[in-house]
Amino acid sequence: SYILTQAPSVSVAPGETATITCGGDKIGTKAVNWYQQEPGQAPLLVMYYDDRRPSGIPERFSGSNSGRTATLTISRVELGDEADYYCQVCNSISDVVFGGGTKLTVL
Amino acid sequence: QVQLVQSGAEVKKPGASVKVSCKASGYSFMNYYIHWVRQAPGQRVEWLGVFNPVGDTIYTQNVQGRVTMTSDTSTRTVYLELSSLTFEDTAVYFCARGPPGDLYYFDSWGQGTLVTVSS
Repeated sequence: SYILTQAPSVSVAPGETATITCGGDKIGTKAVNWYQQEPGQAPLLVMYYDDRRPSGIPERFSGSNSGRTATLTISRVELGDEADYYCQVCNSISDVVFGGGTKLTVL
Repeated sequence: QVQLVQSGAEVKKPGASVKVSCKASGYSFMNYYIHWVRQAPGQRVEWLGVFNPVGDTIYTQNVQGRVTMTSDTSTRTVYLELSSLTFEDTAVYFCARGPPGDLYYFDSWGQGTLVTVSS
């Protein structure tokens, strides 16, 4: 089965840039989606098809995908960005895979 | 606005079945898929399958044979039924909306339903 690898945690100071990565074999050939999840809440879509921002998501959020790594970048990080972030791809129409999640801590 | 409202928490014994509902509003029900995803403590988020209001329903191999997704279009409600429950089925179950097509993503989510399997 296809595996997505995320670092368990990332820490960043307010105002700095957070880089959250998602690794997978030839992930650059797949469409990667990203979700933000705060404790006790449902996930929220923050990026789809690698680099497309849903309506209502700040321009501070951007995405890229190439080779073996997809990246979610959050510029000018705010305290409110503190959450778990998950990447997700479709390996086939019957196989959807999520990464293990990265906990973003804003120091 | 798009809303997905799920039924309340359930406690079931091993071997029993559970049925969770997801009522949709604020969009054209027939034009979007409804996916089911679960999240267990300490485990990866797991996709269970997708309900297509106008086509085939697809289940992940992990739960195939135990899972059924159905709908009542008159009430815009989709149901997830999971049978032969084990302790490993204890999780929060989410329904999520997705656009049609093969590259799934989930743009609106229900609030989640905690299913606890306990003897």
